Amino acid sequence: SQQGEEDPQALSIQEGENATMNCSYKTSINNLQWYRQNSGRGLVHLILIRSNEREKHSGRLRVTLDTSKKSSSLLITASRAADTASYFCATDLYNNNDMRFGAGTRLTVKP
Amino acid sequence: GAVVSQHPSRVICKSGTSVKIECRSLDFQATTMFWYRQFPKQSLMLMATSNEGSKATYEQGVEKDKFLINHASLTLSTLTVTSAHPEDSSFYICSAPGQGTGELFFGEGSRLTVL
Repeated sequence: SQQGEEDPQALSIQEGENATMNCSYKTSINNLQWYRQNSGRGLVHLILIRSNEREKHSGRLRVTLDTSKKSSSLLITASRAADTASYFCATDLYNNNDMRFGAGTRLTVKP
Repeated sequence: GAVVSQHPSRVICKSGTSVKIECRSLDFQATTMFWYRQFPKQSLMLMATSNEGSKATYEQGVEKDKFLINHASLTLSTLTVTSAHPEDSSFYICSAPGQGTGELFFGEGSRLTVL
């Protein structure tokens, strides 16, 4: 069963702009992760944020977590055409790698 | 990072035949692997958890006799779609957890088309 819901479902921006994607979930979590999927390919792990963390950075990525609102956001700064992909949040409820994925945001970055 | 290899990447078969998809962890051992199904422009739906040396754990609504999972070694899990029908056409993806990292490493996926 799905756990997270991302919004927006689709996002189209120009190269150089920032992209923000949001994820909401329903139950308590151990950690939340963001993954990227290019069309027709497997998923690639981007970043993991634990339930006791509020913000995390990795290169051009910034992830926030608000456990009181059961939500997370992924910010991609200075986007590039190569960032075009679907982005999924996933929650690990029991710290056993059984991840539940949201519906995803399809990001298009126009050159 | 760890590498998970999935094969075949594409398969077309006739209705009624069985198809086997392999998922291998290339440079690490995986006592657990996960199998997902993904419909176009939708999320990954967990089908089952594959456990090395024991029976797989299936999610509610997934037919275990239809989707046979075998995890015979620490580096290989297989998913066999038995007596495939057109409605089984989908994108199937496997993953394995990294050792102590908390992240999942995914195969490249297998697109099954049943005619």
